[in-house]
Amino acid sequence: KAGVTQTPRYLIKTRGQQVTLSCSPISGHRSVSWYQQTPGQGLQFLFEYFSETQRNKGNFPGRFSGRQFSNSRSEMNVSTLELGDSALYLCASRSSVTDTQYFGPGTRLTVL
Amino acid sequence: SQQGEEDPQALSIQEGENATMNCSYKTSINNLQWYRQNSGRGLVHLILIRSNEREKHSGRLRVTLDTSKKSSSLLITASRAADTASYFCATVSGGSYIPTFGRGTSLIVHP
Repeated sequence: KAGVTQTPRYLIKTRGQQVTLSCSPISGHRSVSWYQQTPGQGLQFLFEYFSETQRNKGNFPGRFSGRQFSNSRSEMNVSTLELGDSALYLCASRSSVTDTQYFGPGTRLTVL
Repeated sequence: SQQGEEDPQALSIQEGENATMNCSYKTSINNLQWYRQNSGRGLVHLILIRSNEREKHSGRLRVTLDTSKKSSSLLITASRAADTASYFCATVSGGSYIPTFGRGTSLIVHP
């Protein structure tokens, strides 16, 4: 099976702009989670989608949003970008059989 | 907030030596998972150990879990330069499927 894919891999934006990141899970996985990783805060959970519904949500402001499509692909959107949003954004799909999360390579977002 | 906390924060060893990393957590768990991350890349799942298990092996990896002490350890035997990476423990608790990650241990294996 193909692994989790994320696009784009690198992104440079300026403050105030918005950005959309995309994630394609492993075939058959219905759960997709998003994480933000920064040197200061480590790996922080953003949200999880399951069958097109947001099932869990982390402690992030409303500028961070996401959605999931019927084919389980997911997007996350960050509006009104701030310098502190610079981070590696990781997507993971979960196997309901093994309880294991499989991570994509991440999108490196730099906000200038 | 982090549930698991890894110790040490950084570890530097020579190839061929064993590397041991520890993880402590605060609340009862359903399972505990270990992941590896090479610099700036995605995480790779290594091992999942459930709360009713005490030890699991996978190749050169050995994970133990002591629920009475709320701690786990990851042992990498006969380490290689390619094992250089950050290692994270993540706990799953309650009715959530979402793992909560620690800060990680940075392992450097010198050839």
